[in-house]
Amino acid sequence: GENVEQHPSTLSVQEGDSAVIKCTYSDSASNYFPWYKQELGKGPQLIIDIRSNVGEKKDQRIAVTLNKTAKHFSLHITETQPEDSAVYFCAASPHTDKLIFGTGTRLQVFP
Amino acid sequence: EAQVTQNPRYLITVTGKKLTVTCSQNMNHEYMSWYRQDPGLGLRQIYYSMNVEVTDKGDVPEGYKVSRKEKRNFPLILESPSPNQTSLYFCASLPTSGGADTQYFGPGTRLTVL
Repeated sequence: GENVEQHPSTLSVQEGDSAVIKCTYSDSASNYFPWYKQELGKGPQLIIDIRSNVGEKKDQRIAVTLNKTAKHFSLHITETQPEDSAVYFCAASPHTDKLIFGTGTRLQVFP
Repeated sequence: EAQVTQNPRYLITVTGKKLTVTCSQNMNHEYMSWYRQDPGLGLRQIYYSMNVEVTDKGDVPEGYKVSRKEKRNFPLILESPSPNQTSLYFCASLPTSGGADTQYFGPGTRLTVL
């Protein structure tokens, strides 16, 4: 069935370093790929998204890349800061109104 | 302020005691959805609603009910809760039913069933 795999499950980086989280999806019909950030005690919040007709999208320190052939997409955070520490979820949309979430990555940024 | 609210935020109950978790959005969104979040499993969809009086099962609907009598409210009902329903629950809403863009999530309800 529809599935999104996310790696790594935990990631620790030094402040200022880059962080990369990778996801793989199974349904080739997926055409929308959002990334959510979940801070402690809060619901997930959309931080960036990409559609299947685009290979890369950037918003300040955050970028997402998509390889439709390989069914991979990745989140890149540059110049990490302690406030980037959170759980990050990727998701893929195989059809209208449906989101399949990855299992999450706990990112810790150490000062 | 545009938001999705859930109540209660925390709930401890016992097996078999019916409970309702409320969800309300003030953005006039047509689409609303319930998810549960469990360690190592991410978010899984329980039920969703495309509009008033229109609901459908998600990936893990067993043991849950929903209703959508008004556009703004989408309560989640557990008729006979069991310990395996101990989880973190999120309600979400979406501006239109035409695409899975930008779901707005509530703050979550942490449920413990003893």
